[in-house]
Amino acid sequence: AQSVTQLGSHVSVSEGALVLLRCNYSSSVPPYLFWYVQYPNQGLQLLLKYTSAATLVKGINGFEAEFKKSETSFHLTKPSAHMSDAAEYFCAVSAAYSGAGSYQLTFGKGTKLSVIP
Amino acid sequence: EAQVTQNPRYLITVTGKKLTVTCSQNMNHEYMSWYRQDPGLGLRQIYYSMNVEVTDKGDVPEGYKVSRKEKRNFPLILESPSPNQTSLYFCASRWGKSSYEQYFGPGTRLTVT
Repeated sequence: AQSVTQLGSHVSVSEGALVLLRCNYSSSVPPYLFWYVQYPNQGLQLLLKYTSAATLVKGINGFEAEFKKSETSFHLTKPSAHMSDAAEYFCAVSAAYSGAGSYQLTFGKGTKLSVIP
Repeated sequence: EAQVTQNPRYLITVTGKKLTVTCSQNMNHEYMSWYRQDPGLGLRQIYYSMNVEVTDKGDVPEGYKVSRKEKRNFPLILESPSPNQTSLYFCASRWGKSSYEQYFGPGTRLTVT
């Protein structure tokens, strides 16, 4: 079984400030972890993924996330927010083993990021 | 261009009138799935398919049907839509069990009155 908890359904930051979106996961097997971004009226786009290689993962648009097994976390960060970062962000987990369960991608409820000029 | 397409993008219908939302991918992906997105609930998986003629229930399958007769297509069928199926629906695909990157369609906004 696996689940994802995203802390904060809405986060507001000033333009140029640090972006930190929190994600904690629960998984009975080693996880693969993902962050997706959804811009208004669009589908989901993969930002970055952790698949058991480096624990610090860099994605598109200057975002990165660090897998911390001891904290069961995969928080998303960006050093300096831009107006174009305003979107909804989803953390997701999948099981890191081959088998029927590995096809399931479980999403968090999402965090809407607002960027204040 | 590699993509997942959905049709229609917007649909308003009435309770009980059968409808089908089509999904097609041009990447020869084995795995396809349907999600619904509701405010405050994130994305929940409705059904998924691991290959042609192989489908299985996700987390919220009640009131939906799917079929996978061809690798590229994975239609979502609502036999008797109800207002609680008003939602934003996404189709997604990925290559197979060794690939975890899913490609999402643009979404279908369904309203059932």
